[in-house]
Amino acid sequence: QVQLQESGPGLVKPSETLSLTCSVSGGSINNYYWSWIRQPPGKGLEWIGFIFYSGTTNYNPSLKSRVTISIDTSKNQFSLKLNSVTAADTAVYYCARSYIVASSSWGYWGQGTLVTVSS
Amino acid sequence: QSALTQPRSVSGSPGQSVTISCTGTSSDVGGYNYVSWYQQHPGKAPKLMIYDVSKRPSGVPDRFSGSKSGDTASLTISGLQAEDEADYYCCSYAGSYTFYVFGTGTEVTVL
Repeated sequence: QVQLQESGPGLVKPSETLSLTCSVSGGSINNYYWSWIRQPPGKGLEWIGFIFYSGTTNYNPSLKSRVTISIDTSKNQFSLKLNSVTAADTAVYYCARSYIVASSSWGYWGQGTLVTVSS
Repeated sequence: QSALTQPRSVSGSPGQSVTISCTGTSSDVGGYNYVSWYQQHPGKAPKLMIYDVSKRPSGVPDRFSGSKSGDTASLTISGLQAEDEADYYCCSYAGSYTFYVFGTGTEVTVL
């Protein structure tokens, strides 16, 4: 059973860069879409972007200028960088995998990690 | 791109059926058969309940069903059980610029 685990700093200062990594175990990172999705405290879900194992990326237009998602197939990991953060970026950040190879849905999720933007 | 519209809350007694609507536009829900539904218990990660409008992942009870008519998708929970009490979110593919948009979320209460 594939498992995902987010890791990274839980506190980031305003204007700095948020960096998270998702480690994948129990399965290969190949042949699937890998996404980042976030949820501000008490609010709804927001798709940030995805990367295909080949390295192809697509991002939420509202975040596109600040987001980079990368993948390291040798380590079975993919990463998120969000720069110039503000308090509005405070959220639980989830990594997720497409349910099946070409699926527009996410069937496997990490437990989520809370990132707080504060000085 | 605005979030898809869901009712803030729905409720029902054990054994009853409830339906959650998810209203979008012809650019998202109405334009593609790529609507998915997620169940989220407090403090937990979302769980996929329905994908591609009406398909159930393995392990999801057949009490959960999905459908779509025009720009509105629906999730129906039949035979409501206590463990179904959670937040539910819809999500739709919205084309190759926006890609994905989530719904506003619905709290399901089992009376």
